[in-house]
Amino acid sequence: DSGVTQTPKHLITATGQRVTLRCSPRSGDLSVYWYQQSLDQGLQFLIQYYNGEERAKGNILERFSAQQFPDLHSELNLSSLELGDSALYFCASSVVPTYEQYFGPGTRLTVT
Amino acid sequence: GEDVEQSLFLSVREGDSSVINCTYTDSSSTYLYWYKQEPGAGLQLLTYIFSNMDMKQDQRLTVLLNKKDKHLSLRIADTQTGDSAIYFCAECGGGADGLTFGKGTHLIIQP
Repeated sequence: DSGVTQTPKHLITATGQRVTLRCSPRSGDLSVYWYQQSLDQGLQFLIQYYNGEERAKGNILERFSAQQFPDLHSELNLSSLELGDSALYFCASSVVPTYEQYFGPGTRLTVT
Repeated sequence: GEDVEQSLFLSVREGDSSVINCTYTDSSSTYLYWYKQEPGAGLQLLTYIFSNMDMKQDQRLTVLLNKKDKHLSLRIADTQTGDSAIYFCAECGGGADGLTFGKGTHLIIQP
């Protein structure tokens, strides 16, 4: 158990809908990262927050957004969902940026 | 852009050593990582190495880094059936703090 929690574990929704994925980092970690894992794209970095502020952006679509709250938990919002958004979404956390990242168990999103 | 390459499969006999190789292109990588993913599970951080190190040993795991050739390897001694998983190499650096992952190496253990 890495100490990073993610909810929900599974999510099934329809195309065009909007969902929110939630992540709580390990105690003491200030940095949160979001990744997408799919069969065709592999593991891709989406976005990073550090102490409430956006720090780095990866291959995140404009339909996706995220935020980190004062209690350091983070939410990833996915809107106008398409079939191709079906994937495992991981959250990771680290004490400070560029340090080892610990991953949560992931949220499996299925878009039908 | 950055790229991380790994072979897709490695098959070894139980009790032998496994060596999983990885190459990367970003010369400014500061940290290099190995993660393990079992079926239906998340990513488990196995070990990492700073770019100014050549080697790191942690129980059955040995990481070797050749910075000149941008080559990273993970050696698992006395491979067991519980080591069966996908192993991902990842690098961090180049001004971004998100990890760039390879496609993963499926480690298959033969009895």
